[in-house]
Amino acid sequence: GESVGLHLPTLSVQEGDNSIINCAYSNSASDYFIWYKQESGKGPQFIIDIRSNMDKRQGQRVTVLLNKTVKHLSLQIAATQPGDSAVYFCAEMTYNQGGKLIFGQGTELSVKP
Amino acid sequence: GAGVSQSPSNKVTEKGKDVELRCDPISGHTALYWYRQSLGQGLEFLIYFQGNSAPDKSGLPSDRFSAERTGGSVSTLTIQRTQQEDSAVYLCASSSQGLNQPQHFGDGTRLSIL
Repeated sequence: GESVGLHLPTLSVQEGDNSIINCAYSNSASDYFIWYKQESGKGPQFIIDIRSNMDKRQGQRVTVLLNKTVKHLSLQIAATQPGDSAVYFCAEMTYNQGGKLIFGQGTELSVKP
Repeated sequence: GAGVSQSPSNKVTEKGKDVELRCDPISGHTALYWYRQSLGQGLEFLIYFQGNSAPDKSGLPSDRFSAERTGGSVSTLTIQRTQQEDSAVYLCASSSQGLNQPQHFGDGTRLSIL
Protein backbone atom coordinates (compact mmCIF):
# COMPACT_ATOMS: atom_id res chain seq x y z
CA GLY A 1 0.00 0.00 0.00
CA GLU A 2 0.95 3.63 0.02
CA SER A 3 3.43 4.71 2.63
CA VAL A 4 5.77 7.44 3.60
CA GLY A 5 8.90 6.33 5.38
CA LEU A 6 12.13 7.67 6.77
CA HIS A 7 15.62 6.40 6.05
CA LEU A 8 17.08 7.08 9.51
CA PRO A 9 15.26 6.55 12.78
CA THR A 10 17.79 8.59 14.78
CA LEU A 11 20.20 11.39 13.94
CA SER A 12 22.76 12.90 16.28
CA VAL A 13 24.51 16.15 15.34
CA GLN A 14 26.79 18.66 16.97
CA GLU A 15 25.41 22.07 17.80
CA GLY A 16 26.12 24.47 14.95
CA ASP A 17 26.32 21.76 12.30
CA ASN A 18 23.76 21.36 9.55
CA SER A 19 21.22 18.53 9.78
CA ILE A 20 19.59 16.62 6.97
CA ILE A 21 16.56 14.46 7.58
CA ASN A 22 15.39 12.25 4.74
CA CYS A 23 12.04 10.82 3.77
CA ALA A 24 11.01 8.42 1.01
CA TYR A 25 7.45 8.22 -0.29
CA SER A 26 5.86 5.63 -2.52
CA ASN A 27 2.88 7.48 -4.05
CA SER A 28 4.06 9.27 -7.19
CA ALA A 29 0.70 11.07 -7.32
CA SER A 30 1.29 12.91 -4.03
CA ASP A 31 0.56 16.61 -4.41
CA TYR A 32 1.64 18.23 -1.18
CA PHE A 33 4.24 17.53 1.48
CA ILE A 34 4.77 18.86 5.00
CA TRP A 35 7.46 18.59 7.64
CA TYR A 36 6.49 18.63 11.31
CA LYS A 37 8.53 18.84 14.51
CA GLN A 38 7.20 17.08 17.58
CA GLU A 39 8.55 17.60 21.08
CA SER A 40 7.75 15.24 23.92
CA GLY A 41 4.18 15.66 25.17
CA LYS A 42 3.29 18.14 22.44
CA GLY A 43 1.43 18.00 19.18
CA PRO A 44 3.25 18.20 15.85
CA GLN A 45 4.40 21.71 14.99
CA PHE A 46 4.33 22.83 11.36
CA ILE A 47 7.79 23.63 9.99
CA ILE A 48 7.55 23.96 6.23
CA ASP A 49 5.54 22.66 3.29
CA ILE A 50 6.07 22.19 -0.42
CA ARG A 51 3.79 21.50 -3.37
CA SER A 52 4.63 18.89 -5.96
CA ASN A 53 5.19 21.54 -8.66
CA MET A 54 8.22 22.82 -6.73
CA ASP A 55 11.56 21.22 -5.96
CA LYS A 56 12.87 23.52 -3.26
CA ARG A 57 11.48 25.84 -0.65
CA GLN A 58 13.29 27.79 2.02
CA GLY A 59 12.21 29.06 5.40
CA GLN A 60 14.06 30.43 8.37
CA ARG A 61 17.07 28.08 8.83
CA VAL A 62 15.16 25.29 7.08
CA THR A 63 15.05 24.12 3.49
CA VAL A 64 12.88 21.39 2.02
CA LEU A 65 13.96 19.61 -1.14
CA LEU A 66 11.65 17.48 -3.25
CA ASN A 67 12.96 15.02 -5.83
CA LYS A 68 9.96 13.55 -7.60
CA THR A 69 12.10 11.39 -9.86
CA VAL A 70 13.20 9.22 -6.95
CA LYS A 71 10.28 10.10 -4.67
CA HIS A 72 12.48 11.62 -2.00
CA LEU A 73 11.93 14.50 0.40
CA SER A 74 14.50 16.05 2.70
CA LEU A 75 14.58 18.65 5.43
CA GLN A 76 17.76 20.62 5.94
CA ILE A 77 18.28 22.55 9.17
CA ALA A 78 21.11 25.06 9.17
CA ALA A 79 23.20 25.77 12.27
CA THR A 80 21.35 23.19 14.35
CA GLN A 81 20.58 24.29 17.90
CA PRO A 82 19.73 22.30 21.05
CA GLY A 83 16.16 23.54 20.72
CA ASP A 84 15.92 21.67 17.43
CA SER A 85 16.07 18.35 19.28
CA ALA A 86 12.77 16.59 18.62
CA VAL A 87 11.14 13.97 16.42
CA TYR A 88 10.62 15.10 12.83
CA PHE A 89 7.84 13.71 10.65
CA CYS A 90 7.26 14.06 6.97
CA ALA A 91 3.71 13.79 5.68
CA GLU A 92 2.14 13.71 2.26
CA MET A 93 -1.27 14.41 0.81
CA THR A 94 -2.95 13.44 -2.42
CA TYR A 95 -5.68 15.92 -3.31
CA ASN A 96 -8.07 13.41 -4.86
CA GLN A 97 -8.04 11.48 -1.58
CA GLY A 98 -9.26 14.43 0.46
CA GLY A 99 -7.43 16.26 3.18
CA LYS A 100 -5.84 13.40 5.06
CA LEU A 101 -2.11 13.43 5.66
CA ILE A 102 -0.14 10.22 5.54
CA PHE A 103 2.73 10.35 8.01
CA GLY A 104 6.08 8.65 8.11
CA GLN A 105 7.38 6.98 11.26
CA GLY A 106 9.58 9.88 12.36
CA THR A 107 13.27 10.62 12.87
CA GLU A 108 14.59 11.62 16.26
CA LEU A 109 17.10 14.45 16.04
CA SER A 110 19.47 14.84 18.97
CA VAL A 111 21.68 17.93 19.13
CA LYS A 112 24.81 17.72 21.26
CA PRO A 113 25.97 21.00 22.82
CA GLY B 1 -3.04 33.85 19.02
CA ALA B 2 -5.05 30.86 20.18
CA GLY B 3 -4.12 27.56 18.65
CA VAL B 4 -6.03 24.30 18.51
CA SER B 5 -7.27 23.38 21.98
CA GLN B 6 -8.02 19.83 23.08
CA SER B 7 -9.57 18.52 26.27
CA PRO B 8 -9.02 16.67 28.43
CA SER B 9 -5.23 16.50 28.13
CA ASN B 10 -5.25 13.11 29.81
CA LYS B 11 -7.99 10.52 30.25
CA VAL B 12 -7.80 7.23 32.10
CA THR B 13 -10.81 4.96 31.93
CA GLU B 14 -11.78 1.35 32.35
CA LYS B 15 -12.23 -1.03 29.47
CA GLY B 16 -15.81 -0.99 28.22
CA LYS B 17 -16.53 2.62 29.14
CA ASP B 18 -17.37 5.33 26.61
CA VAL B 19 -15.16 8.41 26.23
CA GLU B 20 -15.61 11.79 24.59
CA LEU B 21 -12.69 13.89 23.41
CA ARG B 22 -13.13 17.54 22.51
CA CYS B 23 -11.39 19.76 19.98
CA ASP B 24 -11.66 23.54 19.56
CA PRO B 25 -10.08 24.48 16.22
CA ILE B 26 -8.36 27.73 15.33
CA SER B 27 -10.96 30.43 14.79
CA GLY B 28 -11.87 30.76 11.13
CA HIS B 29 -10.49 27.38 10.09
CA THR B 30 -13.03 25.47 8.06
CA ALA B 31 -11.29 22.11 8.02
CA LEU B 32 -10.86 19.86 11.07
CA TYR B 33 -9.03 16.55 11.34
CA TRP B 34 -8.61 13.81 13.90
CA TYR B 35 -5.53 11.58 14.03
CA ARG B 36 -4.32 8.91 16.40
CA GLN B 37 -0.72 8.39 17.50
CA SER B 38 0.31 5.19 19.21
CA LEU B 39 3.44 5.13 21.36
CA GLY B 40 6.54 5.89 19.30
CA GLN B 41 4.62 5.82 16.03
CA GLY B 42 3.57 8.22 13.32
CA LEU B 43 0.08 9.65 13.09
CA GLU B 44 -2.85 7.67 11.71
CA PHE B 45 -5.70 9.55 10.02
CA LEU B 46 -9.17 9.02 11.50
CA ILE B 47 -11.68 11.53 10.14
CA TYR B 48 -11.84 14.85 8.28
CA PHE B 49 -14.49 17.59 8.29
CA GLN B 50 -14.57 20.32 5.65
CA GLY B 51 -17.22 23.00 5.96
CA ASN B 52 -20.71 21.63 5.49
CA SER B 53 -19.59 18.68 3.37
CA ALA B 54 -20.09 15.10 4.51
CA PRO B 55 -17.08 14.07 6.61
CA ASP B 56 -14.45 11.67 5.33
CA LYS B 57 -14.70 8.81 7.84
CA SER B 58 -12.44 6.44 5.95
CA GLY B 59 -9.85 6.25 8.74
CA LEU B 60 -12.13 5.28 11.62
CA PRO B 61 -10.92 1.83 12.78
CA SER B 62 -14.32 0.46 13.85
CA ASP B 63 -17.94 1.41 14.33
CA ARG B 64 -17.16 2.12 18.00
CA PHE B 65 -15.57 5.36 16.81
CA SER B 66 -17.63 8.36 15.76
CA ALA B 67 -17.17 12.11 15.53
CA GLU B 68 -19.29 15.13 15.02
CA ARG B 69 -18.68 18.78 14.43
CA THR B 70 -21.32 21.18 15.64
CA GLY B 71 -21.84 24.58 14.08
CA GLY B 72 -18.76 24.20 11.94
CA SER B 73 -16.49 24.70 14.93
CA VAL B 74 -16.05 22.42 17.96
CA SER B 75 -15.68 18.71 17.32
CA THR B 76 -16.16 15.70 19.58
CA LEU B 77 -14.61 12.29 19.00
CA THR B 78 -16.50 9.52 20.79
CA ILE B 79 -15.20 6.04 21.44
CA GLN B 80 -17.77 3.55 22.69
CA ARG B 81 -17.01 0.38 24.66
CA THR B 82 -13.32 1.21 24.84
CA GLN B 83 -10.73 -1.51 24.38
CA GLN B 84 -7.10 -1.57 25.53
CA GLU B 85 -5.91 -1.18 21.94
CA ASP B 86 -7.64 2.20 21.87
CA SER B 87 -4.93 3.57 24.19
CA ALA B 88 -3.10 6.29 22.25
CA VAL B 89 -2.76 10.03 21.89
CA TYR B 90 -5.66 11.49 19.93
CA LEU B 91 -4.66 14.60 18.02
CA CYS B 92 -6.86 17.20 16.41
CA ALA B 93 -5.77 19.61 13.68
CA SER B 94 -7.41 22.41 11.76
CA SER B 95 -6.60 24.29 8.59
CA SER B 96 -7.85 27.05 6.37
CA GLN B 97 -9.96 26.13 3.37
CA GLY B 98 -7.96 24.51 0.62
CA LEU B 99 -6.16 21.20 0.52
CA ASN B 100 -2.71 22.74 0.29
CA GLN B 101 -3.00 24.61 3.56
CA PRO B 102 -0.92 23.35 6.50
CA GLN B 103 -2.73 21.55 9.27
CA HIS B 104 -2.06 22.94 12.74
CA PHE B 105 -2.25 20.53 15.64
CA GLY B 106 -3.32 20.67 19.25
CA ASP B 107 -1.34 18.90 21.96
CA GLY B 108 -3.69 15.94 22.00
CA THR B 109 -5.55 13.85 24.53
CA ARG B 110 -3.57 10.97 26.00
CA LEU B 111 -6.08 8.14 26.44
CA SER B 112 -5.24 5.17 28.65
CA ILE B 113 -7.59 2.19 28.86
CA LEU B 114 -7.12 0.03 31.95
